[in-house]
Amino acid sequence: GAGVSQSPRYKVAKRGQDVALRCDPISGHVSLFWYQQALGQGPEFLTYFQNEAQLDKSGLPSDRFFAERPEGSVSTLKIQRTQQEDSAVYLCASSLRLNMNTEAFFGQGTRLTVV
Amino acid sequence: QQQVKQSPQSLIVQKGGISIINCAYENTAFDYFPWYQQFPGKGPALLIAIRPDVSEKKEGRFTISFNKSAKQFSLHIMDSQPGDSATYFCAARVYNNNDMRFGAGTRLTVKP
Repeated sequence: GAGVSQSPRYKVAKRGQDVALRCDPISGHVSLFWYQQALGQGPEFLTYFQNEAQLDKSGLPSDRFFAERPEGSVSTLKIQRTQQEDSAVYLCASSLRLNMNTEAFFGQGTRLTVV
Repeated sequence: QQQVKQSPQSLIVQKGGISIINCAYENTAFDYFPWYQQFPGKGPALLIAIRPDVSEKKEGRFTISFNKSAKQFSLHIMDSQPGDSATYFCAARVYNNNDMRFGAGTRLTVKP
């Protein structure tokens, strides 16, 4: 595709519900990143993939958060037993080469609201 | 833990004026400093970036000024236009590291 695509754009979940957020990176991009952006704040790093390998998950806030990229392209961020503090915009970004040494392109994000 | 502090939180500028956004960082290991522009409902987009071996970088109407000793850097938007109205984020990271640290953002409004 022309850019990074994320779905759904909006998700409302009841507290305790599991959610799955999808990211389609730009075709051929090696690196994929997930960020969490709380209202009125800058994005905060969650995790990083190089192809299918999750090389850095130091930013995941708890073991309820899980990310995968099994075939090195599409990635899914899963949040189990959602809590109100999980409400945020979840951004996915991809870049052509390793790390962020080339420009990273962000998707539009998924706005998650936990009620 | 906020490693990059950004100010002001919001900024209103008249068309044609200069918009100035400031950032300060703590971690001396940071050596890559990008600025991102974000429009409502969109993801951040890279605007301009600088590494600390230079004190200034200019691209069109956008200029980054960098002060390594003070651990501060700023974005200047010359001849600001209503189309520049957006939220601007400064960021910093160690060049080969994945963990980009963002400032809290500045909401810029350029009045016609």
